[in-house]
Amino acid sequence: DSGVTQTPKHLITATGQRVTLRCSPRSGDLSVYWYQQSLDQGLQFLIQYYNGEERAKGNILERFSAQQFPDLHSELNLSSLELGDSALYFCASSVLSTLDTEAFFGQGTRLTVV
Amino acid sequence: EDKVVQSPLSLVVHEGDTVTLNCSYEVTNFRSLLWYKQEKKAPTFLFMLTSSGIEKKSGRLSSILDKKELFSILNITATQTGDSAIYLCAVVGGATNKLIFGTGTLLAVQP
Repeated sequence: DSGVTQTPKHLITATGQRVTLRCSPRSGDLSVYWYQQSLDQGLQFLIQYYNGEERAKGNILERFSAQQFPDLHSELNLSSLELGDSALYFCASSVLSTLDTEAFFGQGTRLTVV
Repeated sequence: EDKVVQSPLSLVVHEGDTVTLNCSYEVTNFRSLLWYKQEKKAPTFLFMLTSSGIEKKSGRLSSILDKKELFSILNITATQTGDSAIYLCAVVGGATNKLIFGTGTLLAVQP
C-alpha cells in the first residue's frame, strides 16, 4: 500500500457526461500528479499540483481540469466524456515539487465510457 | 517531437536468466530519466538517473544512463517470477518540462 488513496475504483458513465476522480496523497506529500493509462496511448502525464498550485502540465485535454485543495487532496474533473477517455487514471504523490522525483502511485480509477 | 522508445516490447525468460531492457529518448532539455515497475496496477518507482555513467543499483536490479548516446538500460540478474511486470521508462524534459513515458517492456519470467 503506497498510502495514496483514489476513489472511486471503478466508474462507468455515458458519453457526454462529467465525472470527478478524487485523490488523497500520502501524509506529508505536497505534490499530486495525475496520469492517464490506456491501451493505445500507454501511460501519459496529465498535470501536477504542488501545495495547491498548478506546477506542470502534460497532455491534458481542455475538457479535463484538476485542482488541489487546502487539505492537499486533489480532484480530476473530466467533462464531455468520449469513448476514447476510457482508461485507468492514476494519481501519485511526492514530497518534492519536481517531476523528477520518486512518486508513489495510487491503485487507480478505472473509467469506462459507454 | 519528444519521444521515448523502449525495447523490446516484450520478452519471456526463464528464472535465473539475466535481462537487459532498453530505453532510448529524443527529448529536448533533458533533465532526468526514471524507471518504474508496473505489476498489476500501480507503477512503483525503481530508479532516477541524471548523470551519465553512474550506475544505480538495488539488489538484482541496476540501471545506467548514457547522455551522449541518449539511452538507458535496466538490468535484472537472476530473474525471479516476481520480476514479471511491465517496466516503464520516463524522461523529464521537453520545451515545457513534461514527463514523457515510453510504451513499456512486458517481462514474463517463467519458472
